[in-house]
Amino acid sequence: GAVVSQHPSWVICKSGTSVKIECRSLDFQATTMFWYRQFPKQSLMLMATSNEGSKATYEQGVEKDKFLINHASLTLSTLTVTSAHPEDSSFYICSARDPADRGIGGYTFGSGTRLTVV
Amino acid sequence: KQEVTQIPAALSVPEGENLVLNCSFTDSAIYNLQWFRQDPGKGLTSLLLIQSSQREQTSGRLNASLDKSSGRSTLYIAASQPGDSATYLCAVSYNQGGKLIFGQGTELSVKP
Repeated sequence: GAVVSQHPSWVICKSGTSVKIECRSLDFQATTMFWYRQFPKQSLMLMATSNEGSKATYEQGVEKDKFLINHASLTLSTLTVTSAHPEDSSFYICSARDPADRGIGGYTFGSGTRLTVV
Repeated sequence: KQEVTQIPAALSVPEGENLVLNCSFTDSAIYNLQWFRQDPGKGLTSLLLIQSSQREQTSGRLNASLDKSSGRSTLYIAASQPGDSATYLCAVSYNQGGKLIFGQGTELSVKP
């Protein structure tokens, strides 16, 4: 079935630095990828929709200058958290839609990235 | 505002019990609804998908029903096992290939 690889699985960074998270579709081309954030004991909240070759669409309240999304190819989208602060510590998950609709629902999720800002 | 709510937030049951997880959504014009499983610190695994025209879907010990008009879905787990312990999330989509709106999840613990 469709596979999405997300790296790193966890990262610790100092306040003020930037962190890049990668999301790759391994066996399909994803024209659209989604980035979610999940705080402890809370649900996934969509941050932005990433479209290959064009600008990402951000949800209301998400700072596009802080959370930079690049979708330069059909198999790779990246999320860069710029000037990270402790309140950015969270679990970030990407998702991609398989055009072939393999699997249930056609959406495949990465394994997530645990970001801790100290 | 399109919102999804799940009840209960947490549930603990002894092994072997049948159980029901609830999901409600404010805007009934959904395209489809999915149930996911999330293990601690992991990504999501899709369990069942119900299209807006369907009433239920079954997979093994799992059965999901959908009452679109009332904005409700239930996930029924039969003969629960410790391996079923996880957080269960429901999510709705309002168009094909569109974003998913998630509930806050039900954290299930099945005690041996």
